[in-house]
Amino acid sequence: AQSVTQPDIHITVSEGASLELRCNYSYGATPYLFWYVQSPGQGLQLLLKYFSGDTLVQGIKGFEAEFKRSQSSFNLRKPSVHWSDAAEYFCAVVPHNTDKLIFGTGTRLQVFP
Amino acid sequence: DVKVTQSSRYLVKRTGEKVFLECVQDMDHENMFWYRQDPGLGLRLIYFSYDVKMKEKGDIPEGYSVSREKKERFSLILESASTNQTSMYLCASSFEFQGESPLHFGNGTRLTVT
Repeated sequence: AQSVTQPDIHITVSEGASLELRCNYSYGATPYLFWYVQSPGQGLQLLLKYFSGDTLVQGIKGFEAEFKRSQSSFNLRKPSVHWSDAAEYFCAVVPHNTDKLIFGTGTRLQVFP
Repeated sequence: DVKVTQSSRYLVKRTGEKVFLECVQDMDHENMFWYRQDPGLGLRLIYFSYDVKMKEKGDIPEGYSVSREKKERFSLILESASTNQTSMYLCASSFEFQGESPLHFGNGTRLTVT
């Protein structure tokens, strides 16, 4: 079935450590790809998006994501996590030839000092 | 900055009540959306609207209806609230449809139906 998968429900890292959040999709053609962040008590905010072109995408708050067609992945990375990055992160896709945004189930990030 | 305002942060309603969740955006966006967010399920689209008085069903419209009488306001209506509608409800708006431009979200309304 077509889907977007975030395999990690909960991740804990120490402040200053590097971070990688995984996202995989199962659609035939490359969809539009997004990462959103939801801080506690807030709505979602767009971190970055990939439509085409350079497969390494820079976003806000020091995040980046890399599209890997061979792995059907769009993993989110940050070289050094700050305590304020503790939040829930959602990968989302708009499948090719549709205009429907589909969210993954989210990964909750906890940051220890 | 785009602002999407949801009128209530927390609501507690009884089973069978008619419930209105209100959402207002201030950026003249054509498109507005209602999602519900449940742990382990991510966000699921209930209804969306791409113009005044227009509405389209999303993935889980059963038990809900919507109203869009003015461009800036999009209301979600639970005709007869049930306990399985206890959830976080998020409103969003966008300039272009879905992936073409980012969604701007409100802070959510946490609804408890007892």
